[in-house]
Amino acid sequence: QSALTQPPSASGSPGQSVTISCTGTSSDVGAHNYVSWYQQLPGKAPKLLIFGVSQRPPGVPDRFSGSKSGNTASLTVSGLQAEDEADYYCSSYAGSSNYVFGTGTKVTVL
Amino acid sequence: QVQLVQSGGEVKKPGASVKVSCKAPGDAFTNYGFTWVRQAPGQGLEWMGWNSALTGYTNYAQMLQDRVTMTTDTSTTTAYMELRSLRSDDTAVYYCARGTSVAGPFHSWGQGTLVTVSS
Repeated sequence: QSALTQPPSASGSPGQSVTISCTGTSSDVGAHNYVSWYQQLPGKAPKLLIFGVSQRPPGVPDRFSGSKSGNTASLTVSGLQAEDEADYYCSSYAGSSNYVFGTGTKVTVL
Repeated sequence: QVQLVQSGGEVKKPGASVKVSCKAPGDAFTNYGFTWVRQAPGQGLEWMGWNSALTGYTNYAQMLQDRVTMTTDTSTTTAYMELRSLRSDDTAVYYCARGTSVAGPFHSWGQGTLVTVSS
């Protein structure tokens, strides 16, 4: 199972928006709506940001939003804040009880 | 968000085995399963496998299936991941995460356990 493809880095100024893409295949992202996004701060465990393509767990600001089109999922962070500087990973169910993560994107707030 | 508590860091020699534990709250333990994820230094997240606490069903990532075993103990509400025949490239932080299905999502994570493989 190959990792989902994400851009290595993304950046934006405070208040701006940044969108991260996550490209998979018709066997994972394209086949299931079990797409999640995780935020990982340095030295910390990943934190669930988005699940089911576009749903937010309680406590996650609505500045974070997710979507999917075909084999590509996207995470948009609106109104970028300094505290959003972190690594972001997408993930997807890949069928047959398999799961796959994305390659990760480092978001820098300029 | 429920916090899972993992065992402490380990240093192992090549060829040895390591067993990492992941303590979960006792309420409805068998309603969940555990996925294990590792992260090599400076690298991304790698899915290792899934273990249902209810049925004991397991599925492992193909590249690890000959060396890994995941189990749960309902009496102590603890999940375990054992990795055998350790190599230097197994050096990583190992995380457990809890979900209701192998398809995720995984709302609760452990703090991570650093396993260092070095001669």
